[in-house]
Amino acid sequence: RKEVEQDPGPFNVPEGATVAFNCTYSNSASQSFFWYRQDCRKEPKLLMSVYSSGNEDGRFTAQLNRASQYISLLIRDSKLSDSATYLCVVNIGGGFKTIFGAGTRLFVKA
Amino acid sequence: NAGVTQTPKFRVLKTGQSMTLLCAQDMNHEYMYWYRQDPGMGLRLIHYSVGEGTTAKGEVPDGYNVSRLKKQNFLLGLESAAPSQTSVYFCASSFSLAAGEDEETQYFGPGTRLLVL
Repeated sequence: RKEVEQDPGPFNVPEGATVAFNCTYSNSASQSFFWYRQDCRKEPKLLMSVYSSGNEDGRFTAQLNRASQYISLLIRDSKLSDSATYLCVVNIGGGFKTIFGAGTRLFVKA
Repeated sequence: NAGVTQTPKFRVLKTGQSMTLLCAQDMNHEYMYWYRQDPGMGLRLIHYSVGEGTTAKGEVPDGYNVSRLKKQNFLLGLESAAPSQTSVYFCASSFSLAAGEDEETQYFGPGTRLLVL
C-alpha cells in the first residue's frame, strides 16, 4: 500500500463547477499536510497548508480528518487556469520524511 | 530573489557517462533536497541535506551522490548514468522541518530533464 494515495484522475469539469479531491495517508504519525499544484512541465508549488481545523483560501478549501487519515481539497467555481495536477503531501514526524502523492490531474473546460 | 535555480535544464547522456546537477537557493534555507519524478509516481527523495556539510540518503539514493559544501548550493552527481535514471530531477529547499507549516514549505527549482540513452 502506498503511503499517500490519490485518485490519479483525470477529472474533467466545466468552468464554474465544484470539484473535490481526496487523499489518504497510511502513517498515523503524520504531522503536517499540504496541497501542492504542479502545472504541466513545471515545478510543484505550494497551494495551501492543511490545518486540523480546516482552512480556506478564496475558492479553495482544505480539510483534514485525522481519525480516517484523509485530506481533501475542494475547488469552487473552477477556472480554466485551475487545470493542473494537485499533489497531496504529508510530513511524518519523528524524523525526516516527506511523502508526495502521485497527484490528481484536473482539466477545466470552457 | 531568484529562489531555487537548477542547471542544466535539459541533458542527454550515454550509458556510463557522468554528470553533476547544480542547485542553488538564495533564501538562506537550511534544508535542501533532490527528488526525481517519473510518470505515474510521486516525487521520490534521492538525498537531502539539513545544513552545510551534511547530507543523508532518501528513498532512492542508489547511483547518486551529493555534496553541500556551501549552504546555498546542493550538487547531485551521477557517476555512471543508466537508462533507469532517465527522469525529471527537482531540487527543493525549505527553512526547516517540523517547525510549523510555513517553515516546512518546500520551494522547488524548475527541474532538469535527463535522458540516458
